Amino acid sequence: GQQVMQIPQYQHVQEGEDFTTYCNSSTTLSNIQWYKQRPGGHPVFLIQLVKSGEVKKQKRLTFQFGEAKKNSSLHITATQTTDVGTYFCADTYGGSQGNLIFGKGTKLSVKP
Amino acid sequence: GAGVSQSPSNKVTEKGKDVELRCDPISGHTALYWYRQSLGQGLEFLIYFQGNSAPDKSGLPSDRFSAERTGGSVSTLTIQRTQQEDSAVYLCASSWTGNYGYTFGSGTRLTVV
Repeated sequence: GQQVMQIPQYQHVQEGEDFTTYCNSSTTLSNIQWYKQRPGGHPVFLIQLVKSGEVKKQKRLTFQFGEAKKNSSLHITATQTTDVGTYFCADTYGGSQGNLIFGKGTKLSVKP
Repeated sequence: GAGVSQSPSNKVTEKGKDVELRCDPISGHTALYWYRQSLGQGLEFLIYFQGNSAPDKSGLPSDRFSAERTGGSVSTLTIQRTQQEDSAVYLCASSWTGNYGYTFGSGTRLTVV
């Protein structure tokens, strides 16, 4: 079945360092959504990318969608301890009204 | 309501018992989803309701699992004859029709002993 692969699985950074997580697929992705799950919490929607080559920013977070719509990335500039959590990408399965298929996530820890 | 509400927040049950998990989605959201998350793992799709259409049950792991959504609003996920491998956090989410982000509830942590 359709899968989205996320790398790395874990990332440990010093506060102030940058962080990037990647989401890859062997097939063309419909749209990409990104979620953040804090430790002990539930996933929270961050953003959706729809267009090939799209780039969106939210403060220190930059989201990109590849030109071929087979990959996406989330980059955090100058990490803070509040960035700790697991970041998931997800692809819409079965068209515009299908359920999301989630990647396994990248767990970010930030050392103060 | 303001968010997706799930109950109970925690449930401990004995192996072989049936359990019911409830989800109250955001008012007006036509789509409702159930996912399962085992400790430290990703999100496993279970079932999806969209309006009055037949639900997409393709993610249900066995026939012990079933779900219904009454009146296009509240949903109940039922697990019959629970097994230890059913222990996980069960997350419900709702969204508008189409490509919109999901709003997740806080989940029900199910422990089968």
